Amino acid sequence: DGGITQSPKYLFRKEGQNVTLSCEQNLNHDAMYWYRQDPGQGLRLIYYSQIVNDFQKGDIAEGYSVSREKKESFPLTVTSAQKNPTAFYLCASRERTSPLHFGNGTRLTVT
Amino acid sequence: RKEVEQDPGPFNVPEGATVAFNCTYSNSASQSFFWYRQDCRKEPKLLMSVYSSGNEDGRFTAQLNRASQYISLLIRDSKLSDSATYLCVVNLPSSNTGKLIFGQGTTLQVKP
Repeated sequence: DGGITQSPKYLFRKEGQNVTLSCEQNLNHDAMYWYRQDPGQGLRLIYYSQIVNDFQKGDIAEGYSVSREKKESFPLTVTSAQKNPTAFYLCASRERTSPLHFGNGTRLTVT
Repeated sequence: RKEVEQDPGPFNVPEGATVAFNCTYSNSASQSFFWYRQDCRKEPKLLMSVYSSGNEDGRFTAQLNRASQYISLLIRDSKLSDSATYLCVVNLPSSNTGKLIFGQGTTLQVKP
């Protein structure tokens, strides 16, 4: 089955540690996205990539980094510089102007 | 002004009711528009795309009003299973190709 896989589903880290969230897709989509969602809030765009080896900052990129070395993979690193990293992180992909397909998300808790 | 705005609700309606949500967007050159449904603690799932001429899928009707810069979602004959948060999504124009902005969502509670 084609789809987007995010792992892990739940992640716990201590403050001050960097952590990398995985996102893999086998839909052959060019564009991939990372969103963050806080309780009772909408989705906010962190980073997006429209093609391999290229990515753009979204609205809340500070404290995050990404890479796009392969078409199917778009990992997100939450660095210690991110002040409030606890959130629900969603990865998505799409082809051109088609709708987004989402992974199941990763819930990150930093204490 | 936010790029995409929705009334967060909640909208509490009885089963069988008709309910409508609006979503306004600030950039008049915005392109694609979508409605997503999100259940509690789950990822959003596509409900329907929104076409210029309006479109219908069963009990759901989506419309686009470019002059007033809003999209709408109408749900007829509400079911208990329609209870969820409904997110509108706007694709910004070609200068920001690929950038999709979400509204904060409208919560719907359908009561027996």
